[in-house]
Amino acid sequence: GENVEQHPSTLSVQEGDSAVIKCTYSDSASNYFPWYKQELGKRPQLIIDIRSNVGEKKDQRIAVTLNKTAKHFSLHITETQPEDSAVYFCAAAVSGAGSYQLTFGKGTKLSVIP
Amino acid sequence: DSGVTQTPKHLITATGQRVTLRCSPRSGDLSVYWYQQSLDQGLQFLIQYYNGEERAKGNILERFSAQQFPDLHSELNLSSLELGDSALYFCASSVAPAGTDTQYFGPGTRLTVL
Repeated sequence: GENVEQHPSTLSVQEGDSAVIKCTYSDSASNYFPWYKQELGKRPQLIIDIRSNVGEKKDQRIAVTLNKTAKHFSLHITETQPEDSAVYFCAAAVSGAGSYQLTFGKGTKLSVIP
Repeated sequence: DSGVTQTPKHLITATGQRVTLRCSPRSGDLSVYWYQQSLDQGLQFLIQYYNGEERAKGNILERFSAQQFPDLHSELNLSSLELGDSALYFCASSVAPAGTDTQYFGPGTRLTVL
């Protein structure tokens, strides 16, 4: 089955700096790559996603890039703010034939230092 | 608020017992997914239902079972509970079972097995 590796497991940045989180996946058939943000004790919330026919997607301070050849994708957060502090999860999914299973990375705990 | 509801919020029980977790998807969503989140295993996909039918199975133990009812709410049944079953259990929903649809997570049920 699909295996998703996520790095780093923890990341500390100064407010205003950029943060980059990287993920690799194993199943070349994966075609959907969402990123979720989870604050302590709360539900995961989708922040951005990318599909395999797109190489890059941006939403304000957040961007995701996808390299299907290398089977990796990355989350970039620019101009970080204290409220960006949370655990971020990448995921990969193969969709089709009526099923859709997300495989998550282990998460990255991002701390933004004011 | 994602529109996905889960009850109860917290559940404390003893080893060997059986519990039922309930999930109501967002209005209009036909697909329900169950995830287990523990500290050492991260977010693990358990099972997916679409319009009452099981569509995909992940790392779900034989002691666990789920179903989706005609009104589209879903229940996850956990039996012969062990200490290691203590975790956060999330339900998510999407419109359809395809990878083009975002999964929205509920607030979770925290299960503690003593």
